[in-house]
Parts: sequence; structure tokens; C-alpha cells
Amino acid sequence: SQQGEEDPQALSIQEGENATMNCSYKTSINNLQWYRQNSGRGLVHLILIRSNEREKHSGRLRVTLDTSKKSSSLLITASRAADTASYFCATDAKDNFNKFYFGSGTKLNVKP
Amino acid sequence: DGGITQSPKYLFRKEGQNVTLSCEQNLNHDAMYWYRQDPGQGLRLIYYSQIVNDFQKGDIAEGYSVSREKKESFPLTVTSAQKNPTAFYLCASSARHEQFFGPGTRLTVL
Repeated sequence: SQQGEEDPQALSIQEGENATMNCSYKTSINNLQWYRQNSGRGLVHLILIRSNEREKHSGRLRVTLDTSKKSSSLLITASRAADTASYFCATDAKDNFNKFYFGSGTKLNVKP
Repeated sequence: DGGITQSPKYLFRKEGQNVTLSCEQNLNHDAMYWYRQDPGQGLRLIYYSQIVNDFQKGDIAEGYSVSREKKESFPLTVTSAQKNPTAFYLCASSARHEQFFGPGTRLTVL
């Protein structure tokens, strides 16, 4: 399976701290994406990083990609209670950009 | 107001019954997807469609069926052959890279 795996499975931090989540995958990709899911809701797209990019920023989010290690990390800086959610990485298939594979997610709890 | 809608939000099914989950999008996306999510787990792909009148099985297609007669619509039928259908079902559409998700349907088998 090409499915990614997030690490850690759960993360609990205080408001204002940074949160780092990691994702590993198995095969070559075109893009890697991070999504957020609030409890009982659909997923919301956060950021996409292409296979030829190493780092990308969007507001308080910073994503890195290391294709040699087949891994990515998502950093949320200055976390807020509203960041409490599950975060998933998703990769596409090198030969089928229309098919996506999701990891099992990191459940982030930001305590006020 | 563009987006993806799923209905119903909650669905209860008796064992042995088929049920159909609705998914509609007005984003003009060619690709649409159905995922299953179990508690505390990630998303598993059931079926996907890259174009009208065509669809492919995902990783867990057994016990499910789909149709894609219109670009806007991609209904999922959970058949009685699906042994453990209780789960959260998510529909998505895609513009090449980014996926847009509906709010989900929570199916419970009684």
C-alpha cells in the first residue's frame, strides 16, 4: 500500500507552543498534501507541496518534504485552541494523479 | 455558493438493506471520490470516478456500488453484502490536485 503514516498518532500541547507532525510514505509521488479534520466533519485542504519543492509556508503552517526519505513534516507555529483537530497527509500516485492515499492522521489537542 | 453536499447527514440501516448515499458537487470537477472512515482511522478509498460514465474500484470496493451518470452526482450504494458498513462516509471532488470534501454521512447499522 502507498498509504502514508503520520507520527505521532496523538499530540497534546499548550496554546502558544509549536506542533510538529510527521508523515512517511512508500512510493514516488507527484505531490503531498496536508488536510485538517474537525471532529465529525469533512476534511479541509491546508497546503500542497510538489515533489520538486523542499519547503512551503502558508500563514502559521510550514511544510517540508524530503523525497529521499519519503517523508514530510507539518509545523504549526504559535498554536491556538482552534487548531485542535486531526491532521492527515495525502499523497497521489506517480502514475495516477487523480488517486490519493491518506495516512491515519495525527490528533492534535491544543489546551487553552 | 459552490461546494459539495452529502445527504443525509445521519443514516440508519437495518441489516440486509441496501442504502444509497447522495453526493452532489457544483464545482465543475471531473473527478469524484468516496472514502470510508472508521473511528480514529484515516480515509480508505472505496470508489473513484475520473469522468462521467466511468469509475474505478478503490481499496475496499467489496459490498459497495456507484454510478456516475452526471458530472455533478456520484451516489454510493452500500449493499447488504458489506459486512460491516457502520462508518463515516466522505465524498470528495478534485481539480487535479486538491480535494474538496463534503460534510460526510454517518451510517449506522441497527
